[in-house]
Amino acid sequence: ETGVTQSPTHLIKTRGQQVTLRCSSQSGHNTVSWYQQALGQGPQFIFQYYREEENGRGNFPPRFSGLQFPNYSSELNVNALELDDSALYLCASSLGLGRITDTQYFGPGTRLTVL
Amino acid sequence: GENVEQHPSTLSVQEGDSAVIKCTYSDSASNYFPWYKQELGKRPQLIIDIRSNVGEKKDQRIAVTLNKTAKHFSLHITETQPEDSAVYFCAAAGSNYQLIWGAGTKLIIKP
Repeated sequence: ETGVTQSPTHLIKTRGQQVTLRCSSQSGHNTVSWYQQALGQGPQFIFQYYREEENGRGNFPPRFSGLQFPNYSSELNVNALELDDSALYLCASSLGLGRITDTQYFGPGTRLTVL
Repeated sequence: GENVEQHPSTLSVQEGDSAVIKCTYSDSASNYFPWYKQELGKRPQLIIDIRSNVGEKKDQRIAVTLNKTAKHFSLHITETQPEDSAVYFCAAAGSNYQLIWGAGTKLIIKP
């Protein structure tokens, strides 16, 4: 295993609610990326944090936001949930200079269902 | 925007035969190409990656080739085994500082 953990494993929310997903990176990894993986599709890049600052973002609206903490943990927050937000959310940590080309190690994911 | 196309979407091969999965990318500035294996209900796992300064990389039964002129790269698995059954994703990292993923290939190894 990669040493990257995520919580919770599964989550059910209703439309309009807010959700916080958590990731604990491998010790020493200063970069974390978050991805959304819809069923049967490849992961879509949401954003990346390097040394607690966002240094890259995909095509996701501002209601997707994040935080990275000094203890190698991070959060993904999603406001005003929509049905299309139902997906597997993956975090990936890496050690380097915050480059997207650094090798990424994935957590097991959080399955979010929006009803 | 940047795009990665992956083919085929499903590949069924006899155990012991070879499997080849192909990807093309649109961003000519892409310089990093990882391949991930994802088993059902599990996390993606990096199996091999290649950077734009090399044309081929091999790790035991797995190899990746890169053709920067044609903007395509391929995954080759030789002597396939039942545990190779999974979904395989290619990805490309380029000038927009994003890792763009293909749609995945479901590899089925027939006994």
